[in-house]
Amino acid sequence: DVQLLESGGGLVQPGGSLRLSCAASGFSFSSYVMSWVRQAPGKGLEWVSGISGRSGSTHYADSVKGRLAISRDNSKNTLYLQMNSLRAEDTAVYYCAKALSGDSSGYYYDDAFDVWGQGTMVTVSS
Amino acid sequence: DIQMTQSPSTLSASVGDRVTITCRASQSISRWLAWYQQKPGKAPKLLIYKASSLESGVPSRFSGSGSGTEFTLTISSLQPDDFATYYCQQYNSFPYTFGQGTKLEIK
Repeated sequence: DVQLLESGGGLVQPGGSLRLSCAASGFSFSSYVMSWVRQAPGKGLEWVSGISGRSGSTHYADSVKGRLAISRDNSKNTLYLQMNSLRAEDTAVYYCAKALSGDSSGYYYDDAFDVWGQGTMVTVSS
Repeated sequence: DIQMTQSPSTLSASVGDRVTITCRASQSISRWLAWYQQKPGKAPKLLIYKASSLESGVPSRFSGSGSGTEFTLTISSLQPDDFATYYCQQYNSFPYTFGQGTKLEIK
């Protein structure tokens, strides 16, 4: 069964840091682009960042560029989101998501998200 | 950034109705559009990709159409499980962007 399980969320003060993890199972992790998508309380979905299968290519929303960093460890089948200089507007449920199609080349490709984790809540507040 | 605008924002309908949700892109995205269903407290679920391709396991009452800047999601005969919020998303170019959502309510 294909599964994604996020962890690492919590309450953090403005300006603080947090690292989210997403443990993947049931598919060839290194062959898939992975992404983070967030949803502020009561609001819509916002794509945050994406990374190619072999980590050579990363992409970010302007709202998080320079503060959030996506990475992956294919030996551990785990995706990460390092969150620094956090702001109140970063408060959201953070989902990791898997690209629909796989590509063993390791290059980045655009695709829909067919598998999502259950989400982890990040609250930035003093 | 490409803006995605859904209409309506809220839709009231009855079981058995045929409903259509529209998504418009601020510039052409070819057919790089997905539709998701989200229920309260749950992660989004992929319904349609590449504008009209039905994701595996999704009931055939869901269908998508369109290209360029105008797209539609149609549910041919609403079932009780379909009452949820629906989002379109473009993945033609960065940053990927979502519509604001359409909440489908029971009339």
